[in-house]
Amino acid sequence: QVQLVESGGGVVRPGRSLRLSCAASGFTFSSFGMHWVRQAPGKGLEGVAVIWNDGIDKYYADSVKGRFTISRDNSKNTVYLQMNSLRAEDTAVYYCARGMTTADYWGQGTLVTVPS
Amino acid sequence: QSALTQPASVSGSPGQSLTISCTGTSSDVGGYNFVSWYQQHPGKAPKLMIYDVTNRPSEVSNRFSGSKSGNTASLTISGLQAEDEADYYCSSYTSSSTLIFGGGTKVTVL
Repeated sequence: QVQLVESGGGVVRPGRSLRLSCAASGFTFSSFGMHWVRQAPGKGLEGVAVIWNDGIDKYYADSVKGRFTISRDNSKNTVYLQMNSLRAEDTAVYYCARGMTTADYWGQGTLVTVPS
Repeated sequence: QSALTQPASVSGSPGQSLTISCTGTSSDVGGYNFVSWYQQHPGKAPKLMIYDVTNRPSEVSNRFSGSKSGNTASLTISGLQAEDEADYYCSSYTSSSTLIFGGGTKVTVL
């Protein structure tokens, strides 16, 4: 069965960096695009970044462009989110999800807290 | 890019039907047949309920259906049940090759 497991969250000071990982299993990872979607406490969902299956095409929300980088290692079935210059407004649960035009399977999320 | 527009809350009695709207623009909802709907219970990850406007994953009840007209998509829940009480989000593929989400709708079963 499809499984996505995020890791790497934690408490980080403003301006610092953090890298999230999402380990995938139960499907042919290299055939699917992957998303990072976040949800601030008590708020809605926000698409952060997406990477196509070949890892070449990547797209970002305006709110993170220039600060966050999505990447993947198809040999390790893992997608990453490198987050630099973190701000208080980046505090959220970060989910990875499978797909391109939709998000059909989701991980359980990892919490990133940036104190103000 | 602004979030898609959803009503903050809707409610209904068991057995009734209710519909949630999701309004975007020609650059997202109106421009592509890539609207999805997700159900999220408190403290849980979102679950895909509808994709490509009208398609339902095999494990999702046929009480859930989707449609679209112009820049507005809709999710209908028929035969409302207590377990349907949750937050619902729409999403659309966009001209920027990203996913944009709605602000979410809280469904209450009276």
